[in-house]
Amino acid sequence: DTGVSQDPRHKITKRGQNVTFRCDPISEHNRLYWYRQTLGQGPEFLTYFQNEAQLEKSRLLSDRFSAERPKGSFSTLEIQRTEQGDSAMYLCASSRRAVGQLSTNEKLFFGSGTQLSVL
Amino acid sequence: EDKVVQSPLSLVVHEGDTVTLNCSYEVTNFRSLLWYKQEKKAPTFLFMLTSSGIEKKSGRLSSILDKKELFSILNITATQTGDSAVYLCAVVYNFNKFYFGSGTKLNVKP
Repeated sequence: DTGVSQDPRHKITKRGQNVTFRCDPISEHNRLYWYRQTLGQGPEFLTYFQNEAQLEKSRLLSDRFSAERPKGSFSTLEIQRTEQGDSAMYLCASSRRAVGQLSTNEKLFFGSGTQLSVL
Repeated sequence: EDKVVQSPLSLVVHEGDTVTLNCSYEVTNFRSLLWYKQEKKAPTFLFMLTSSGIEKKSGRLSSILDKKELFSILNITATQTGDSAVYLCAVVYNFNKFYFGSGTKLNVKP
């Protein structure tokens, strides 16, 4: 059973550096989500892809953040000029939208996340 | 503006106790409510609830949804130390939007 995998598991960087995270969703899943989670909070939505199209971005996603899913499979999330406030767990999740019907039974499968620490 | 509110924020119980976790919500175009368990990293799926009054059950865990009063509860009976985790409630609305509450941190002591 291949779940959602994320790489790296941990990333420590200095303020001002760029970082890139990768997410490999479950293979048959066409929807991919990025969330950010800080201590004591639930996951906060960042952005969402259906296949290779980025359909929605949160206001939390400043212009320093960019996400791609070029072939509709894996996705990358890049943060440029990192700030200490970017320190968080970045979670990726995927789901499968049933073709031809409303997504009333959609559920997310999460990866283990990338823990980012900006010094 | 909170769309999903979980209570209590944290809870300490002893093994064998029964706990009830609450999740209230206010969203438009509600589709479903999901419960997740987060131990260390990845939240793992527990239940999906779409209809009022139908209890979902898995072992010692059960959950029910009230779409009129806009809340759900998650019950855990005969708690074990392995139940210690953060329990997240998420509401699905507008077909593809998942909004998470802040979670309830449960600590089960031996």
